[in-house]
Amino acid sequence: EVQLVESGGGLVQPGGSLRLSCLGSGFNFSRYWMTWVRQAPGKGLEGVANIKEDGSVKYYVDSVKDRFTVSRDNAKNSLYLQMNGLRAEDTAVYYCAGNSEKKGWGFDPWGRGTLVTVSS
Amino acid sequence: DIQMTQSPSTLSASVGDRVTITCRASQSISTWLAWYQQKPGKAPTLLIYKASTLESGVPLRFSGSGSGTEFTLTISSLQPDDFATYYCQQYNSFSSFTFGQGTKVEI
Repeated sequence: EVQLVESGGGLVQPGGSLRLSCLGSGFNFSRYWMTWVRQAPGKGLEGVANIKEDGSVKYYVDSVKDRFTVSRDNAKNSLYLQMNGLRAEDTAVYYCAGNSEKKGWGFDPWGRGTLVTVSS
Repeated sequence: DIQMTQSPSTLSASVGDRVTITCRASQSISTWLAWYQQKPGKAPTLLIYKASTLESGVPLRFSGSGSGTEFTLTISSLQPDDFATYYCQQYNSFSSFTFGQGTKVEI
């Protein structure tokens, strides 16, 4: 079964840090670009960061540049998001998703998401 | 950055209706467009990629069309399981993969 499972979310104070993890199974993780997508409560989807199959290229949405770092460990089928300097507006469910050329770069699979709440 | 504009934001429909959702890109994205369905509390699921290719397992009542800047998602005969929020997403480059704001299909 193809699966992505996120972990690491929780309640953190403004200015704090969290590290999210995403574990893949049932597919060739190392052949997928991987992306973190977030969804604030009651809002739409926003791409946060993505990383190339071999980890050599990374992109970030402007609002998280210099605060968030995406990384991956293909030997462990794992994707990470280090989040520093967290703000209230970073409160969201964070999903990891994979994409590949065989599906026209559409995102599939998706994880179930992990909730990050930034509040004092 | 490429902006994606979906319309309508909300759509009221009945079982059996034909439903069309439109997505416009602020610049040409060829056919690098995907459609997703999301139900409350769940992750999105891929319906269509490359503007018109149906993902495996997705019912044939779903179809996608368009290229350049204008795209549509059509549900030919709305079923009870189709009440959800739908998002378009462009993937013109690896550094740019923006989503539309979503269309909620409600009874």
